[in-house]
Amino acid sequence: DQQVKQNSPSLSVQEGRISILNCDYTNSMFDYFLWYKKYPAEGPTFLISISSIKDKNEDGRFTVFLNKSAKHLSLHIVPSQPGDSAVYFCAAGRYALNFGKGTSLLVTP
Amino acid sequence: DVKVTQSSRYLVKRTGEKVFLECVQDMDHENMFWYRQDPGLGLRLIYFSYDVKMKEKGDIPEGYSVSREKKERFSLILESASTNQTSMYLCASSLGRATSGANVLTFGAGSRLTVL
Repeated sequence: DQQVKQNSPSLSVQEGRISILNCDYTNSMFDYFLWYKKYPAEGPTFLISISSIKDKNEDGRFTVFLNKSAKHLSLHIVPSQPGDSAVYFCAAGRYALNFGKGTSLLVTP
Repeated sequence: DVKVTQSSRYLVKRTGEKVFLECVQDMDHENMFWYRQDPGLGLRLIYFSYDVKMKEKGDIPEGYSVSREKKERFSLILESASTNQTSMYLCASSLGRATSGANVLTFGAGSRLTVL
């Protein structure tokens, strides 16, 4: 059974607005959470992470929020840019990472 | 920057052929992983290795084997390729088993395998 779930396969946002990508996990032992971005025909690239001792981590336009009680994390991109259009994977784990199925983000001009 | 190099970007093989996918990393990482990516299924872990000559099954090891004779190299082997193994294969590495940063995976560019 999938331990990391991204329930929205796709998301479309206008340039300049906020993109919010969501992720849920089931295993309370997970203590490290990451977001990866993937363009077609390329490997995923690391975007941002958060450990279980924090509830927020920010890096430029990207912020990850962690709600441990709800076993939920989200990635906020503000402002969204057309170059952000990609598939975003949520990953969680303790040693080996478990990945969600991905959310395809399209940022339109 | 850590570099993870997958030797073949695109391969076409026939059903029943033996297939080798090679992966090399250049930053002395302890851990190496093989994932496959399929539409609607995301990234699924096939095998991983925490040390030389050591391997652990991931979520979908059936039909695959791996070899890690040297720290920097992790090979994925399809003993007898089948059409349902047509996929994008991604190799990754990470520094160590500890949490808080060590789990960041660096991925290679991927190997797109088509089995006819």
